[in-house]
Amino acid sequence: KAGVTQTPRYLIKTRGQQVTLSCSPISGHRSVSWYQQTPGQGLQFLFEYFSETQRNKGNFPGRFSGRQFSNSRSEMNVSTLELGDSALYLCASNPLGRVGETQYFGPGTRLLVL
Amino acid sequence: SQQGEEDPQALSIQEGENATMNCSYKTSINNLQWYRQNSGRGLVHLILIRSNEREKHSGRLRVTLDTSKKSSSLLITASRAADTASYFCATDQAGTALIFGKGTTLSVSS
Repeated sequence: KAGVTQTPRYLIKTRGQQVTLSCSPISGHRSVSWYQQTPGQGLQFLFEYFSETQRNKGNFPGRFSGRQFSNSRSEMNVSTLELGDSALYLCASNPLGRVGETQYFGPGTRLLVL
Repeated sequence: SQQGEEDPQALSIQEGENATMNCSYKTSINNLQWYRQNSGRGLVHLILIRSNEREKHSGRLRVTLDTSKKSSSLLITASRAADTASYFCATDQAGTALIFGKGTTLSVSS
């Protein structure tokens, strides 16, 4: 099976712009989670989608949003970008949507906000 | 706040030596997992240990879990240069999200 894919891999934006990141989970996986990784804060949970419904959300402002499509592909959107949004954004898929089970991560999208 | 905290933050060893890193967490868990990340890329799952297990092996990896002390350790035996990476523990937090520690950066030199 193909692994988790994320597009684009690299992105440069300026403050105030918005950005959309895409994640395609492993075939058959219904849960997609998103994480933000920065040197200062480490890996922080953004949100998790299962069967097109957001089930859990981390402590991030409303500028961060996401959605999941019927084929389990997911997108996350960040509006009104700030310098502090520069990070590696990782998505992970999970076959049964159980939180404590193995997560399969994509390679990440590195976002730089100037 | 982070559920898991790894110790040490950084570790440098020679090829062939063993590497031990520790993880502590704060609340009760169902599972604890260890992941590896090479140079800012995606995370790779290494091993999962359930709360009713005390030790688990996978190849050169040995993980222990002490729920009474809320701690876990990852031992990599006979380290290789290819083991150079960051290692993270992750725990399930009240069934809502997988929470990661800040990681241990392992450097293995030949």
